[in-house]
Amino acid sequence: AQSVTQLDSQVPVFEEAPVELRCNYSSSVSVYLFWYVQYPNQGLQLLLKYLSGSTLVKGINGFEAEFNKSQTSFHLRKPSVHISDTAEYFCAVSTTGGSNYKLTFGKGTLLTVNP
Amino acid sequence: DGGITQSPKYLFRKEGQNVTLSCEQNLNHDAMYWYRQDPGQGLRLIYYSQIVNDFQKGDIAEGYSVSREKKESFPLTVTSAQKNPTAFYLCASTGQGAPEQYFGPGTRLTVT
Repeated sequence: AQSVTQLDSQVPVFEEAPVELRCNYSSSVSVYLFWYVQYPNQGLQLLLKYLSGSTLVKGINGFEAEFNKSQTSFHLRKPSVHISDTAEYFCAVSTTGGSNYKLTFGKGTLLTVNP
Repeated sequence: DGGITQSPKYLFRKEGQNVTLSCEQNLNHDAMYWYRQDPGQGLRLIYYSQIVNDFQKGDIAEGYSVSREKKESFPLTVTSAQKNPTAFYLCASTGQGAPEQYFGPGTRLTVT
């Protein structure tokens, strides 16, 4: 079984500042990793994914994440945030074996961008 | 436009009533999933289906039921046995060989 820990439940930042949302996972097998964003009362939108290859993954809206296998981490970063980035962000993991891609989610990090 | 639709957006029911949430996708995806979201809890898997006429329990299946009679449809019934049904319910799907899940807009169920 796998698990995901998002280390911060809330992250307040000022507009144009850099931000890092932290995610650690636990799994005994190889994993796929994802970051999703959720705006209030909406579904989840895929920001980026790591399946294989380069450990630095670029996503939509200027976000990127780096897969670190030795530290079992997949932190999300953006060099300069906007007010519109205010949302909840979820890290998720699934195992790579078989055809069953069940996701295990972290509890989310609420990013609040202040003017 | 391809996507996942969930209806209605908001649903209100009295305690003791069963209620069915709709999920439809036109992405030709094989697998579909139902999640429950509560504040501060992340998403928890209720049921999933990898193929028509087959489905499996997730982590919190008690008090819920599903059916998968058509590839594009995966309705969720919240029964009166579910002790705390008020929540935000999200449906998702994945294509063959692709692990990323795509989500619908969600249904907010309030039971009083």
